[in-house]
Amino acid sequence: DVKVTQSSRYLVKRTGEKVFLECVQDMDHENMFWYRQDPGLGLRLIYFSYDVKMKEKGDIPEGYSVSREKKERFSLILESASTNQTSMYLCASSAFLTGYEQFFGPGTRLTVL
Amino acid sequence: GQQLNQSPQSMFIQEGEDVSMNCTSSSIFNTWLWYKQDPGEGPVLLIALYKAGELTSNGRLTAQFGITRKDSFLNISASIPSDVGIYFCAGRAGGTSYGKLTFGQGTILTVHP
Repeated sequence: DVKVTQSSRYLVKRTGEKVFLECVQDMDHENMFWYRQDPGLGLRLIYFSYDVKMKEKGDIPEGYSVSREKKERFSLILESASTNQTSMYLCASSAFLTGYEQFFGPGTRLTVL
Repeated sequence: GQQLNQSPQSMFIQEGEDVSMNCTSSSIFNTWLWYKQDPGEGPVLLIALYKAGELTSNGRLTAQFGITRKDSFLNISASIPSDVGIYFCAGRAGGTSYGKLTFGQGTILTVHP
């Protein structure tokens, strides 16, 4: 069974703090993705990575950065958290050859005060 | 980026009723997928469609890939309480997309016993 885990289910941070969200997958997938989920807006892609140290901007990268130093781990970084980054963050992974199916983690609900 | 319009945004139905939801795009997709998100969890793949006109079933779920490749439909027959959740359509473009998916806004389904 594919497993995607995220470091926290719930996180509360203050405005201006640096925030790290960690994601680990155990299926040796090449592709990894970070989304944010907001009511009425669906899932919006922040960044994705198709290989170690490779990253591409998604549709809403502003205010975020990512790091992929190891194949199984993909980190999302909020350099200076703001209240409009309060959201549900979902990590996903997929295999290079069958990349149509993305496997999701349980999500991290981040609140920025 | 590409846009997917999913409707309806929410549905309140009685147990036993059939459900229909659809997704339309301004651009062509090579693959259409339907995901379900249970409360507190990440989305899980229900059905994947690969060819225009394809009709695929998974138990009480039936999905179709539109002939124009710009739309897709999901039907749920004889709904039960555990069908509650958020349903997302997703489309995958061709070319070197690294498995990127574009998601719809989601349909929130509530089933009354």
